[in-house]
Amino acid sequence: DQQVKQNSPSLSVQEGRISILNCDYTNSMFDYFLWYKKYPAEGPTFLISISSIKDKNEDGRFTVFLNKSAKHLSLHIVPSQPGDSAVYFCAASAVGGTSYGKLTFGQGTILTVHP
Amino acid sequence: GAGVSQSPRYKVTKRGQDVALRCDPISGHVSLYWYRQALGQGPEFLTYFNYEAQQDKSGLPNDRFSAERPEGSISTLTIQRTEQRDSAMYRCASSLGVAGGSGELFFGEGSRLTVL
Repeated sequence: DQQVKQNSPSLSVQEGRISILNCDYTNSMFDYFLWYKKYPAEGPTFLISISSIKDKNEDGRFTVFLNKSAKHLSLHIVPSQPGDSAVYFCAASAVGGTSYGKLTFGQGTILTVHP
Repeated sequence: GAGVSQSPRYKVTKRGQDVALRCDPISGHVSLYWYRQALGQGPEFLTYFNYEAQQDKSGLPNDRFSAERPEGSISTLTIQRTEQRDSAMYRCASSLGVAGGSGELFFGEGSRLTVL
């Protein structure tokens, strides 16, 4: 039972364009959502997060949108840069329950930004 | 170093052997998490600690898996009588703590376990 799904295994984008990574979830108890980025041979690193009381959070080139009614979130990267090429994981937690850090991850999307 | 340190980075063992994976979290981090990641998948929660107390072990697959953090710092994940299906990347992460936290986990580089 995959509670967090990233249905696109890969995404290819031209440098300077927008990258949009999507994520769907099924568990209505999730109330905190995060995106992690992972380079080869490294551990995942935190990118941006959003609480369920918001529908948008922005940090520089990165914006996360949350649509609670659709149980959908997306990560927008504008403009995309070659250094953004990595695997992106969507993750969710039920903060009101136990721990911020008990995360359920999606399968990941490989983003490739071409120069 | 300042990050989460895991050892060994690579471990190859024969089926039936016990293995111990070590995690040294970022100094001062209250919470420590163990995740397992199969190839092509996202990390999957195993267990976590606040200080030395194991708060949740609901993700441990079976009783061959155990974890401890006796002094609230370094943690060991032990897999007894390993099986081939245990082969995976085992990731440790730490965070400042629950109260007021952002949910940000700092991950180590992982321990790649291969069971022959």
